[in-house]
Amino acid sequence: SQQGEEDPQALSIQEGENATMNCSYKTSINNLQWYRQNSGRGLVHLILIRSNEREKHSGRLRVTLDTSKKSSSLLITASRAADTASYFCATALIQGAQKLVFGQGTRLTINP
Amino acid sequence: EAGVAQSPRYKIIEKRQSVAFWCNPISGHATLYWYQQILGQGPKLLIQFQNNGVVDDSQLPKDRFSAERLKGVDSTLKIQPAKLEDSAVYLCASSFAGERTYEQYFGPGTRLTVT
Repeated sequence: SQQGEEDPQALSIQEGENATMNCSYKTSINNLQWYRQNSGRGLVHLILIRSNEREKHSGRLRVTLDTSKKSSSLLITASRAADTASYFCATALIQGAQKLVFGQGTRLTINP
Repeated sequence: EAGVAQSPRYKIIEKRQSVAFWCNPISGHATLYWYQQILGQGPKLLIQFQNNGVVDDSQLPKDRFSAERLKGVDSTLKIQPAKLEDSAVYLCASSFAGERTYEQYFGPGTRLTVT
């Protein structure tokens, strides 16, 4: 089974609203990464948060990590139509192993 | 900087036929990955190379799938014979190798349809 599970599976919001996606995982991790996938640009890395970090920001993205609950969240603020995509969390179990295990993804739709 | 290149972009074959995909990673990236992504699911790692050695192929169906990275740069993934359930997008990715885990850079993928 997948290491990471995203929730919700699908999310539809109005442009300008904030979008929050959650990821839960089962085993201890070295770091957790979020990726975005759309038809135009394929699968693109968004942000990486290490197991000793609790929060990280990148532009309109905010990622939190709670290792005690084995969960992470991705917040996109002031959403735009271009944010319409599938978002995946991916967990790295061992430092330096470079192997990622992807979740099933959240399909985000931004309505104009 | 050039990204990860893959070809072909689309391929339609009949079951029991063979098919091969090609990947050229970002220059300087020692680690190369092949993923299978079935519609509606996340990518699943098939095989991971570091330079020209296999690091992980635990989820590669070795009775029909094979991959190589002979000179530590380009890689090919082959399916022979193909089954209907092999219909998916095959993604190639690359990253730096080292003590920490790096982000991965993905190619555009090859969409395979097996009829």
